Amino acid sequence: AQSVTQPDARVTVSEGASLQLRCKYSYSGTPYLFWYVQYPRQGLQLLLKYYSGDPVVQGVNGFEAEFSKSNSSFHLRKASVHWSDSAVYFCVLKNNNAGAKLTFGGGTRLTVRP
Amino acid sequence: GPKVLQIPSHQIIDMGQMVTLNCDPVSNHLYFYWYKQILGQQMEFLVNFYNGKVMEKSKLFKDQFSVERPDGSYFTLKIQPTALEDSAVYFCASSQYGEQFFGPGTRLTVL
Repeated sequence: AQSVTQPDARVTVSEGASLQLRCKYSYSGTPYLFWYVQYPRQGLQLLLKYYSGDPVVQGVNGFEAEFSKSNSSFHLRKASVHWSDSAVYFCVLKNNNAGAKLTFGGGTRLTVRP
Repeated sequence: GPKVLQIPSHQIIDMGQMVTLNCDPVSNHLYFYWYKQILGQQMEFLVNFYNGKVMEKSKLFKDQFSVERPDGSYFTLKIQPTALEDSAVYFCASSQYGEQFFGPGTRLTVL
């Protein structure tokens, strides 16, 4: 079985502050990991993905994430947030089979105060 | 980037009626998916589909649900009959071998 946990349902930060959104996963094999963002009343947009190699992956809009096999984690970071980053962020896991389902964490609702 | 379209964006129906949700996936994609999102939070897998067949379905994919993609047209999710607990936003996705691309969702309200 595979699962994803995002321990923080809501995070509030001030504009310009740094950000870390936490993600822990449970999977016995080699995971493919993603972060998606969902803006109000919209679909999901991919921020970044990790398949293998360098554990720090860069994404769009200054986001990055670090994979840690020893900690079973894939935390999302940004050095300086903007008010437009306010959205719901999902950490997502997939096995390495083509066409396999995505397993979502519960999501973290990020609010950036101006 | 590649776009997945969903029609309609919002559907309101009475409990017990049939509903069909339509998805126009990215043209060269091979795998198709439906996900259900309740209360704007938890996103849960319903079913995936490849080469005309269901690959895997979750326990949320009840007997009243069916999917098909006749002759490369829309990938559809049919619910017959609908129940109150089917009210949610349904997202379609498609992929080649890796990244899944999502549509904007269909908000289904069952009265």
